[in-house]
Amino acid sequence: NAGVTQTPKFQVLKTGQSMTLQCAQDMNHNSMYWYRQDPGMGLRLIYYSASEGTTDKGEVPNGYNVSRLNKREFSLRLESAAPSQTSVYFCASSPGSGNQPQHFGDGTRLSIL
Amino acid sequence: AQSVTQLGSHVSVSEGALVLLRCNYSSSVPPYLFWYVQYPNQGLQLLLKYTTGATLVKGINGFEAEFKKSETSFHLTKPSAHMSDAAEYFCAASWTSGSRLTFGEGTQLTVNP
Repeated sequence: NAGVTQTPKFQVLKTGQSMTLQCAQDMNHNSMYWYRQDPGMGLRLIYYSASEGTTDKGEVPNGYNVSRLNKREFSLRLESAAPSQTSVYFCASSPGSGNQPQHFGDGTRLSIL
Repeated sequence: AQSVTQLGSHVSVSEGALVLLRCNYSSSVPPYLFWYVQYPNQGLQLLLKYTTGATLVKGINGFEAEFKKSETSFHLTKPSAHMSDAAEYFCAASWTSGSRLTFGEGTQLTVNP
């Protein structure tokens, strides 16, 4: 019973490098989300996908791109990493209606040097 | 803008004491409300969610939350704290039909022996 799976769990990058964070869910959920978590700031929405084939910006989209590859997979790409993007990144999914909770992965801890 | 505020970034209680974690939302229209818990190096787990019409919502691990529309609050309580309750707690709200969440800043709960 995997739920939401994120890879990798840890990553260290140099400034200017690029990378893609992967997320997959096996709950047949319509909606998927990417958040970043920074101390004292809670979770902030980067991008979300309300349904397969659609993506929208969240609160902090600058410096990121996303791809909803299919219903199961939603990836987050950093084209040119900056130290300010050092954070813990969480992927989540939900059925897509307002009163249904989101289910979270275990996170990717990303450090940009 | 609609927001969620958690009063107190750190709360410390003794084992066996009452736990009270505060959450207020900023809209006159009640959103869908959730409490999540995050243990170290893990993702967020759902504790409970508000059900329309209810004033007291029961969750897992003995937690419950009281919804007060007049105070725009959704405070989390547990009658008797256990060492295993030490974690970070997040209140979250959704004002949209698509289940986008706005998170509070989080409250770190410490339980002292």
